Amino acid sequence: GQNIDQPTEMTATEGAIVQINCTYQTSGFNGLFWYQQHAGEAPTFLSYNVLDGLEEKGRFSSFLSRSKGYSYLLLKELQMKDSASYLCAVMDSNYQLIWGAGTKLIIKP
Amino acid sequence: GAVVSQHPSWVICKSGTSVKIECRSLDFQATTMFWYRQFPKQSLMLMATSNEGSKATYEQGVEKDKFLINHASLTLSTLTVTSAHPEDSSFYICSARDPGGPSYNEQFFGPGTRLTVL
Repeated sequence: GQNIDQPTEMTATEGAIVQINCTYQTSGFNGLFWYQQHAGEAPTFLSYNVLDGLEEKGRFSSFLSRSKGYSYLLLKELQMKDSASYLCAVMDSNYQLIWGAGTKLIIKP
Repeated sequence: GAVVSQHPSWVICKSGTSVKIECRSLDFQATTMFWYRQFPKQSLMLMATSNEGSKATYEQGVEKDKFLINHASLTLSTLTVTSAHPEDSSFYICSARDPGGPSYNEQFFGPGTRLTVL
């Protein structure tokens, strides 16, 4: 079956760096997405990786290793507003998104 | 990026009534839209894929006659929850792909509709 694994919850300190990992097993691969979702709101797009390597976008970076079925989202210079759930999703061979359960990130002052 | 709207954003209804939720792509044409449901503290669950001009494709376990989907135009898809019951209370989110955008595979999400059935 298809499976996306990511930690349920993480805690970090304001100003610090946090890495959220995601491992996947899917039928086919057409890219991996990271979305941010604040409570009660819809997800917002953060990043898309389809090739191996690191994609940097401001304070957020996303890494992909297709051979290992692994990705991480790196958040630098954490701010209180970064407290949210971070969803990892993989697009399979049918171009359907398979979603992880999300990682709730708690930022402490 | 592309913008997707949903209406209403919040609805309360009595058990047994039907509720219609609209999903619109505001600045692009979406041949495919997706309907998700999300229960508290759970991940998104795909309910169905809505294709313009044809029948929607429902995921296993989702009742077609209960969740009616109509994708009548390239910018509008509707989800009607028929004979709603309290267990249908959830956060319903639609999304769409912009085939003409820089990232073909990216899905743009509407703001979601919170349905509460009393």
